[in-house]
Amino acid sequence: DAGITQSPRHKVTETGTPVTLRCHQTENHRYMYWYRQDPGHGLRLIHYSYGVKDTDKGEVSDGYSVSRSKTEDFLLTLESATSSQTSVYFCAISGTGGRGIQYFGAGTRLSVL
Amino acid sequence: ELKVEQNPLFLSMQEGKNYTIYCNYSTTSDRLYWYRQDPGKSLESLFVLLSNGAVKQEGRLMASLDTKARLSTLHITAAVHDLSATYFCASPGVGGGADGLTFGKGTHLIIQP
Repeated sequence: DAGITQSPRHKVTETGTPVTLRCHQTENHRYMYWYRQDPGHGLRLIHYSYGVKDTDKGEVSDGYSVSRSKTEDFLLTLESATSSQTSVYFCAISGTGGRGIQYFGAGTRLSVL
Repeated sequence: ELKVEQNPLFLSMQEGKNYTIYCNYSTTSDRLYWYRQDPGKSLESLFVLLSNGAVKQEGRLMASLDTKARLSTLHITAAVHDLSATYFCASPGVGGGADGLTFGKGTHLIIQP
């Protein structure tokens, strides 16, 4: 998985609970991404980061926030989880100024009950 | 807004047959990515196509890019069961990928003996 670790790998939580997913990379890549995958939708970009403390919104950012205090870690927080955020979350990294291949982590399967 | 459309979304075929998956994208881009995903797994990079007319081959898979038509194809030759998976194309749009990729919905390919 190209030096990318996502944690946890599985999580079940209740509606209204805050949840934080972690992506850790050992490749020293500047660009990091969070996507969600849902049946019938492919992958959709939630947020991305182009450096420490530099982040921006993607297509489906409502209800999510991110933080990047170190090059190697990119955190995704669901501020108050809802059932519509039940999904598989993938982290990706990219070198080459963000124009290179994106390599994906193993994913986190999140269920919000 | 960049749209990426794949067809077919579902394909069942027999071993030994040939078939093509199509990927159309709505906004000019200089590159196109193909990924493979096995059930419950992460995304694996197959090809990156970097210019108009680019063709890449790996085993029984061959991908091509026509930037003028905004079309990429993934051709499967003499299919074997091991190629059963979901295949995604993804376009970086005008941002080149630094601000994320837009994925098609995926083609779920089943190859039967």
